Amino acid sequence: AQRVTQPEKLLSVFKGAPVELKCNYSYSGSPELFWYVQYSRQRLQLLLRHISRESIKGFTADLNKGETSFHLKKPFAQEEDSAMYYCALRLGGVNFNKFYFGSGTKLNVKP
Amino acid sequence: ETGVTQTPRHLVMGMTNKKSLKCEQHLGHNAMYWYKQSAKKPLELMFVYNFKEQTENNSVPSRFSPECPNSSHLFLHLHTLQPEDSALYLCASSQDEVNEQFFGPGTRLTVL
Repeated sequence: AQRVTQPEKLLSVFKGAPVELKCNYSYSGSPELFWYVQYSRQRLQLLLRHISRESIKGFTADLNKGETSFHLKKPFAQEEDSAMYYCALRLGGVNFNKFYFGSGTKLNVKP
Repeated sequence: ETGVTQTPRHLVMGMTNKKSLKCEQHLGHNAMYWYKQSAKKPLELMFVYNFKEQTENNSVPSRFSPECPNSSHLFLHLHTLQPEDSALYLCASSQDEVNEQFFGPGTRLTVL
């Protein structure tokens, strides 16, 4: 069973529009959630992690344990946000070295 | 070069060949990872090493054999692979297993 689900393979929005990339996970313990991003011709890199509670490049994500979600949001999308976004889950406790990635969502921000 | 490097960047091999993928990290990290990224599938964690000791083997077939001679180098030895093993193989490193992972550019493997 897939631990991390990103239901949208592709999300297209216009510049300046709000964007939300969905991520749901399956884990009953204490998870750690991440968003990784891969810009065109660049390597995969960390965007943000839920324990940091930071806003990176205008993106935020809140861990909702009740809904087992960790959606990525930005109020005003920019063209340079176009990239592949991957949600990732790290299990807790003794399984702390087990990582699971979602299949990714391609964000296309149109001018 | 800084960061995480992987060689070769592209590899084509037959099912009877033996080849190795190499990963090197210049970040002073102590944990290294191999991931497999197949088309239309999520990134899959294969192996984790911490201080050269393997701490995770995610049920990977024995035709993939990792080797971590020191904290800076990680190899993935390949033998008698199948066409379905064709994928992008990514290496990553982190300081301990709980911190941010830094990824290499990947090796695009094609098995004929």
